[in-house]
Amino acid sequence: QSALTQPPSASGSPGQSVTISCTGTSSDVGAYNYVSWYQQHPGKAPKVMIYEVSERPSGVPDRFSGSKSGNTASLTVSGLQAEDEADYYCSSYAGSNNLVFGGGTKLTVL
Amino acid sequence: QLQLQESGPGLVKPSETLSLTCTVSGGSIRSSSFYWGWIRQPPGKGLEWIGSIYYSGSTYYNPSLKSRVTMSVDTSKNQFSLKLTSVTAADTAVYYCARQYSLNWFDPWGQGTLVTVSS
Repeated sequence: QSALTQPPSASGSPGQSVTISCTGTSSDVGAYNYVSWYQQHPGKAPKVMIYEVSERPSGVPDRFSGSKSGNTASLTVSGLQAEDEADYYCSSYAGSNNLVFGGGTKLTVL
Repeated sequence: QLQLQESGPGLVKPSETLSLTCTVSGGSIRSSSFYWGWIRQPPGKGLEWIGSIYYSGSTYYNPSLKSRVTMSVDTSKNQFSLKLTSVTAADTAVYYCARQYSLNWFDPWGQGTLVTVSS
């Protein structure tokens, strides 16, 4: 199984919206609605922001939203805030009890 | 609330076995609703799923690591463990344990522990 493909970096100004893509294949992202997104600040453990493509855990601001089209999932952060600056990782169930992560995207708030 | 804490040696010699334990507090590892997983992150790099275990002992491993990985669970101690054999410098990473929903997403995560492979 190969890692999911994410852009290395993304950026936006405070208040703007930014979308991060996560491209897989018809065997992982395209096959299952089991895509999740994690936020990781430097030196900290990852924190789930979105699960099952578009579900938000309790406590995650509704500025964070997820979607999927075909083999590509997306995370959108609306109304960017300084504290949103972090690394973001997607993951997907890949069948046969396997899980695969994306390479990560560094989000910079300008 | 549920908390997870990794423990084990921070330095392992090449060709030896890496052994880590995750202690779960604030909840039972015997819950039928969850799996328990290990994820690692080499310095400056991305996340890699290592494997997951159910409280019954059923295991699921990343195919790329399967030949070297063994996971186990001790329900009496509310702990689960990871062993990775024949380690090389490429296994140097922060190792995280986490609760997993349906072999899918992870929440919460432990704080992580850095394991360095070096002689």
